[in-house]
Amino acid sequence: EAGVAQSPRYKIIEKRQSVAFWCNPISGHATLYWYQQILGQGPKLLIQFQNNGVVDDSQLPKDRFSAERLKGVDSTLKIQPAKLEDSAVYLCASSSWGGSNQPQHFGDGTRLSIL
Amino acid sequence: AQTVTQSQPEMSVQEAETVTLSCTYDTSESDYYLFWYKQPPSRQMILVIRQEAYKQQNATENRFSVNFQKAAKSFSLKISDSQLGDAAMYFCAYRASPRFGTYKYIFGTGTRLKVLA
Repeated sequence: EAGVAQSPRYKIIEKRQSVAFWCNPISGHATLYWYQQILGQGPKLLIQFQNNGVVDDSQLPKDRFSAERLKGVDSTLKIQPAKLEDSAVYLCASSSWGGSNQPQHFGDGTRLSIL
Repeated sequence: AQTVTQSQPEMSVQEAETVTLSCTYDTSESDYYLFWYKQPPSRQMILVIRQEAYKQQNATENRFSVNFQKAAKSFSLKISDSQLGDAAMYFCAYRASPRFGTYKYIFGTGTRLKVLA
C-alpha cells in the first residue's frame, strides 16, 4: 500500500510570511495527525482529526496555525504569520482508527526553516 | 498529565552486540499502550514494537524486545545482534486507552543510537 504522502519536503521562508503543508494519508485511514518536531526533541501533537472532525487541537497555537481536512481525506496545515520558533519538521501520520491500538504510519515530513 | 522520559540522549553499541534503551513514563491510568519508534536520518518514523499495558508478557519482534515493568513505569527496549541499519533516533511513546477519551501520543525526547562497525 502507498504510504503517507507529504509535500513539500523542504520549505524556507522569512518570518511573518505564510506557509502551507499538505498531507495525503494512507487510503482508508480515518485518523490523521499533525506533529511538530523541533530539532533534538520528540514529536509534539498539534492536531488530530477523526474523518473530517477535530478530536484534539489543544496544543495548536490557534492564533497563527490552522488545519483542515476537507472530505475526511487530505489535510492542510497552515502557519500565518510564521515566527522563528516555528522552525521544525512537520510530520503527518495516519492510522486506521483512532479508537484502537492500530499504530500510526508517518510521512517523511516537511522541514521548515524560518529566516 | 502523562509524561515520557528518555534519560539517554545518545548510546553506542558494537555491531552484533546487545544494547538497551531506557524509557520511563508517568501516568495515573491503568490501561494504555506503549510504543518504540525508530527515526532514521531520512526522517520517516517507523514502528519498532508495541506493548499493551494489560498484557504481562513482554513484547518481542525478532531482534527487538521490551522489558515492561508496569509498577515501576519502565519500558526499555533491547536490541540484540545490533546491525549498522539499527543506527537511528529511537523514541518511546505513550498512548492512553481510548476508553478514557484521550487519543494523543506523547513522545519522549529520543535516544540517538550509534552502531560501531
